[in-house]
Amino acid sequence: DQQVKQNSPSLSVQEGRISILNCDYTNSMFDYFLWYKKYPAEGPTFLISISSIKDKNEDGRFTVFLNKSAKHLSLHIVPSQPGDSAVYFCAAMDGQNFVFGPGTRLSVLP
Amino acid sequence: EAQVTQNPRYLITVTGKKLTVTCSQNMNHEYMSWYRQDPGLGLRQIYYSMNVEVTDKGDVPEGYKVSRKEKRNFPLILESPSPNQTSLYFCASSPIGTGMTEAFFGQGTRLTVV
Repeated sequence: DQQVKQNSPSLSVQEGRISILNCDYTNSMFDYFLWYKKYPAEGPTFLISISSIKDKNEDGRFTVFLNKSAKHLSLHIVPSQPGDSAVYFCAAMDGQNFVFGPGTRLSVLP
Repeated sequence: EAQVTQNPRYLITVTGKKLTVTCSQNMNHEYMSWYRQDPGLGLRQIYYSMNVEVTDKGDVPEGYKVSRKEKRNFPLILESPSPNQTSLYFCASSPIGTGMTEAFFGQGTRLTVV
């Protein structure tokens, strides 16, 4: 049973518009959440994170929202750029237990 | 340059033939870990190590071994590979206490077991 779910395998967005990537989790012990970005033939790179004591964290064009009661988080990218096209992984931590979601492939169309 | 280096990048092997995938980091990180990435499943943690001679199982440790004799190296050992271990493998390292936000990943090793 997957503890971290990303129910959209892919997403296409027009350049300049907002991209919203969603992530759901089942383990209420998770206390730290991260988003990673992965280009083909490269390892994942860290993008942004949020602690469970917050509901929003912003870094430039990237904002992560956390809804603990719904066990849901989302990554907003605005405005989206073609270079944002990649696979995005949501991840959650509970101590040293670190769990990735299956990923969402984002395509930003020029 | 800070980096995590995995070797080999690509490997095709036969069932039962022992193999080792090496992982080395040059950042003096305490924490190192191995993941496998499979379609629809994302990255799953195989083993992790919090420091030299300290290793622990992740979510999918069956069929794998690791060792941490030196801080910089964390090899992944498949004693008797099977086709279900065909996957894309990533090694990562990070300082302890940073929650993986400062994690560096290697470029991956694509393993095929026939």
